Amino acid sequence: QVQLVQSGAEVKKPGASVKVSCKSSGYTFAAYDIHWVRQAPGQGLEWMGMINPYNGVTKYAQTFKGWVTMTRDTSTQTAYLDLISLKSDDTAVYYCARYPGTSTYFDHWGQGTLVTVSS
Amino acid sequence: SSVLTQSPAVSVAPGKTANITCGDYDFGRRGVHWYQQKPGQAPRLVIFYDSDRPSGIPERFSSSISGDTATLTISRVEVGDEADYYCQIWNSSSDHWVFGGGTKLTVL
Repeated sequence: QVQLVQSGAEVKKPGASVKVSCKSSGYTFAAYDIHWVRQAPGQGLEWMGMINPYNGVTKYAQTFKGWVTMTRDTSTQTAYLDLISLKSDDTAVYYCARYPGTSTYFDHWGQGTLVTVSS
Repeated sequence: SSVLTQSPAVSVAPGKTANITCGDYDFGRRGVHWYQQKPGQAPRLVIFYDSDRPSGIPERFSSSISGDTATLTISRVEVGDEADYYCQIWNSSSDHWVFGGGTKLTVL
């Protein structure tokens, strides 16, 4: 069955960087875009951007341009989310989600990765 | 703030019908999708393309669009339906994906 398994929780100091992983299984990794969604504590869902695992093309929401990088490793069927220059208000759960390209919704989600930024 | 407006909270008694709205948007033919998120869990797709349900989602969940408002309807509400619900669209103008602010459904 389709699974997206994310890396574990992280605690980082302000100014640090973090890399969150999202390992896919149960389907052809290159055939489905991976999107990333942020959820701050007690807040709603916020779309961050996406990566096409086949060709590595990315697209970012304006809010995240310049400090977020999405990459992938097709050999391990893993997508990555890099966040730099972390601030306290970057504390959030970060989700990866699979995107069936012929549609406009997200059909499978990772379990989420909590990134806490605190001095 | 999201371009998709959702009421922050809806309360309903068990067995009754809950209506959760997502509005102020020209949905056109692009479709609107709905997700359920229970505390501590990832979102889960419950309705896609206005009214289709993924496998495993009961028929009690349905959706419709009228004008600039989409409505998620949960019939015969159960305690297990208590969750946050989010609508989502793809904005073709910006080629970005957008979520509504979310609605907390409380089953009294």
